[in-house]
Amino acid sequence: DAGITQSPRHKVTETGTPVTLRCHQTENHRYMYWYRQDPGHGLRLIHYSYGVKDTDKGEVSDGYSVSRSKTEDFLLTLESATSSQTSVYFCAISRDSNYGYTFGSGTRLTVV
Amino acid sequence: AQSVTQLDSQVPVFEEAPVELRCNYSSSVSVYLFWYVQYPNQGLQLLLKYLSGSTLVESINGFEAEFNKSQTSFHLRKPSVHISDTAEYFCAVSSNDYKLSFGAGTTVTVRA
Repeated sequence: DAGITQSPRHKVTETGTPVTLRCHQTENHRYMYWYRQDPGHGLRLIHYSYGVKDTDKGEVSDGYSVSRSKTEDFLLTLESATSSQTSVYFCAISRDSNYGYTFGSGTRLTVV
Repeated sequence: AQSVTQLDSQVPVFEEAPVELRCNYSSSVSVYLFWYVQYPNQGLQLLLKYLSGSTLVESINGFEAEFNKSQTSFHLRKPSVHISDTAEYFCAVSSNDYKLSFGAGTTVTVRA
């Protein structure tokens, strides 16, 4: 979707290194989310934000941190990447729960 | 948080045949219900949603879903599928807490 972009699209990193994924939106939506997608698990919420500098944990937040210093940017950081964090990461934005989410194209992260 | 169960992980179907994808969720006072579709190597796209009102909702490409409160279900149907409907389908539920909970997904493979 043109209103939300994720970078990078693909990344290979080594175990133990820090990694930051970026989500950028041009829709001025209040809510932003990071999910990971793994076979058999669907999408699981890592962290979400309900405003600038307002973030909270999702169901699989261990090993991840986030920051949102501007409305348009939501960063996901893996402090010390592990092989279990190999996944496809999706960012999503929402005006509110009535509208559902708009998803980015995803970042495929491989930790070797 | 809501839990969402998609009862079929894989659904093979022949072109022009009908298909039904089943979704059940844990009960709550009020919920918003969504179906998303994910084509290969893409992000998720909103297919249809139920917020209130008529229990039968339709999408522009021939899918429909029916909200059944007593059975806590939101099954997705299409009377005649096309090859282009081959994709993964996700049911999602929100309890007005601005977070979506997703099912594990159902992969639909349409064969000629």
